[in-house]
Amino acid sequence: AQTVTQSQPEMSVQEAETVTLSCTYDTSESDYYLFWYKQPPSRQMILVIRQEAYKQQNATENRFSVNFQKAAKSFSLKISDSQLGDAAMYFCAYRSAPELFGQGTRLTINP
Amino acid sequence: DTGVSQDPRHKITKRGQNVTFRCDPISEHNRLYWYRQTLGQGPEFLTYFQNEAQLEKSRLLSDRFSAERPKGSFSTLEIQRTEQGDSAMYLCASSYYTNTEAFFGQGTRLTVV
Repeated sequence: AQTVTQSQPEMSVQEAETVTLSCTYDTSESDYYLFWYKQPPSRQMILVIRQEAYKQQNATENRFSVNFQKAAKSFSLKISDSQLGDAAMYFCAYRSAPELFGQGTRLTINP
Repeated sequence: DTGVSQDPRHKITKRGQNVTFRCDPISEHNRLYWYRQTLGQGPEFLTYFQNEAQLEKSRLLSDRFSAERPKGSFSTLEIQRTEQGDSAMYLCASSYYTNTEAFFGQGTRLTVV
């Protein structure tokens, strides 16, 4: 069975600095999709970035990028130039069908 | 299209009562998912539909839970004989295919007293 693990329940970073959130997963499949979602307090979950497993190139969306290590089954999220609006719960998700979520990392941005 | 909408946003019910939640997905999306989320945890899969067909249901899901998606449009999630342990946020999401982004609704927060 697939599993997704986020080992950092909480992280904090100074505004404008860079932070990396960790995620590992386990699967026997070769073709799958990985996602990072952001859930601000009392607001709905939104997609931050996604990665197709068959692509070797790491996905990037503006200040957000991933380090995808397929052999190690690792999928970390790097947030550059952190902003106060980045404060939220971040969930790593594995998509086969349906989506399997990690436990989440609460990110705090210190001004 | 205004995205995925869920109704009601909040529901307080007495233990033993039945409750029903509604989810309206993005119109062109053929997949619809239901999740349950408790405070500080990630969403836990409950069930999902492709069009009107319910393709998978979590083994953790009690028989008190049932979901429908008539005509492949909106979906309802019913919980019968509610228990205090059912208190949680119930999230609905929809997507076009397996490999595309899932869009989430704002959720229905259930409190069982």
